[in-house]
Amino acid sequence: GENVEQHPSTLSVQEGDSAVIKCTYSDSASNYFPWYKQELGKRPQLIIDIRSNVGEKKDQRIAVTLNKTAKHFSLHITETQPEDSAVYFCAATRRGDTGRRALTFGSGTRLQVQP
Amino acid sequence: DGGITQSPKYLFRKEGQNVTLSCEQNLNHDAMYWYRQDPGQGLRLIYYSQIVNDFQKGDIAEGYSVSREKKESFPLTVTSAQKNPTAFYLCATHGQGANYGYTFGSGTRLTVV
Repeated sequence: GENVEQHPSTLSVQEGDSAVIKCTYSDSASNYFPWYKQELGKRPQLIIDIRSNVGEKKDQRIAVTLNKTAKHFSLHITETQPEDSAVYFCAATRRGDTGRRALTFGSGTRLQVQP
Repeated sequence: DGGITQSPKYLFRKEGQNVTLSCEQNLNHDAMYWYRQDPGQGLRLIYYSQIVNDFQKGDIAEGYSVSREKKESFPLTVTSAQKNPTAFYLCATHGQGANYGYTFGSGTRLTVV
């Protein structure tokens, strides 16, 4: 089955700096890669996603890049703000397949933005 | 809860007791999922259902059971066979097409007492 590895486990940046979180996946058939933000005690919230037919996607200060050959994808947050502090999870799945389509999650990255 | 409701928010289980966590959605989605989250860890898949009256084991199904008798409901039972049930349990669903990202419920925090 799919295995998703996420690094780093913790990341501390100064306000205004950029943050990058990286994930690798094992199943070359995976074609959908979402990112979730989880604040303490709350549910994960989808912040951005990318499909395998696209190499990069941006939404304001957040961007995701995908390298299918290397089987890795990354989350980039620019101009970080204290409210970006949270745990971020990457995930992967085969969207549209008739088999298992459940997301496999990485282990999470705790991002702390220092004011 | 954005169309997906979990209850209760907190649940306490005694040794040897079965407990059931509720998950209800009004989004008309076929697929529903149960994940377990332990402190400082990612989400691990317990069970999932892609259509009514059908469900599949995930990666950590031992000690859990589910049913899917209605499209709107996917309850999870934590049985006495689950030796370490203390965790945060999240139910999720997703749509099709552009709305493929999961929507999560607000979660149930289960504690063994």
